[in-house]
Amino acid sequence: QSALTQPASVSGSPGQSITIACTGTSSDIGSYNDVSWYQHHPGRAPRLIIYDVSSRPSGVPDRFSGSKSGNTASLTISGLQADDEADYYCSSYISVSVFAGGTKLTVL
Amino acid sequence: QVQLVQSGSELKKPGASVKVSCKASGYTLSASAMNWVRQAPGQGLEWMGWINTKNGNPMYARGFTGRFVFSLDTSVSTAYLQINSLQAEDTAVYYCARDLSSIGQIYLDSWGQGTLVTVSS
Repeated sequence: QSALTQPASVSGSPGQSITIACTGTSSDIGSYNDVSWYQHHPGRAPRLIIYDVSSRPSGVPDRFSGSKSGNTASLTISGLQADDEADYYCSSYISVSVFAGGTKLTVL
Repeated sequence: QVQLVQSGSELKKPGASVKVSCKASGYTLSASAMNWVRQAPGQGLEWMGWINTKNGNPMYARGFTGRFVFSLDTSVSTAYLQINSLQAEDTAVYYCARDLSSIGQIYLDSWGQGTLVTVSS
C-alpha cells in the first residue's frame, strides 16, 4: 500500500473553479469508491465535504463536487469564494495513511 | 444537534501521561465508531485509529501502538485518548471525530474542537 498524494498548493481567483487531484493506486482509489474530502480552516475543526467519491453531507454547497477516474480522485470547487481558502485533504480508509498530505488552497 | 466537546489544552513534561476526553451529545455514543486524528504543528491530518463504541475494542493505526490508548465511558457518553510516556514529538492538536459510516469507511462527519497537547520540559 502507498500513501495518497495531493499537490501541496493550488490557487484561484474569486468566481473561478479549481480542482484538487488525489492520486492513489489500483489497490485503493482505483478499486474502491471509499473516498472522502475534508476542508480544514486553521484553528477550526475539519469539515467533511465529500464522501463516497461524490456525495455531499447535508449543508455542503453544491459548489463542492467530487469525482474519480482510474486511480485519481478529484475535488472541484466552483465559484471560488474567499472563505474557501483552507487546507483540503482527501481520504480513503483503504490507504495505509488514510489521509493524504493536504492541499493549501489560496484564493487570490 | 450532534456535538463533540473535548477537554482543554494540556501542558505536560516528557515522560508524563495525558488523558483527553471527548463528550458526545445529540446522539447515542454507541451508534457510531469514534476516531482520533492528530495534527502536529505545521503538519497535515494523521489518522490515529478508532474505537468500536459498541464493544470498546480499539484499532490503532501504524505508529500509534503501545503508548496510545483509546477507551470509553458509555455512562457519560465520553471517549478518551490517553498518551503515555509523552515525548516532544507528541505535541499536537488531537481531535476526536465520529464516523458517519456504519461499515468503517472513516467518513468523519462530526469533530471535536481539538485539544492542544504540548510536551515540554
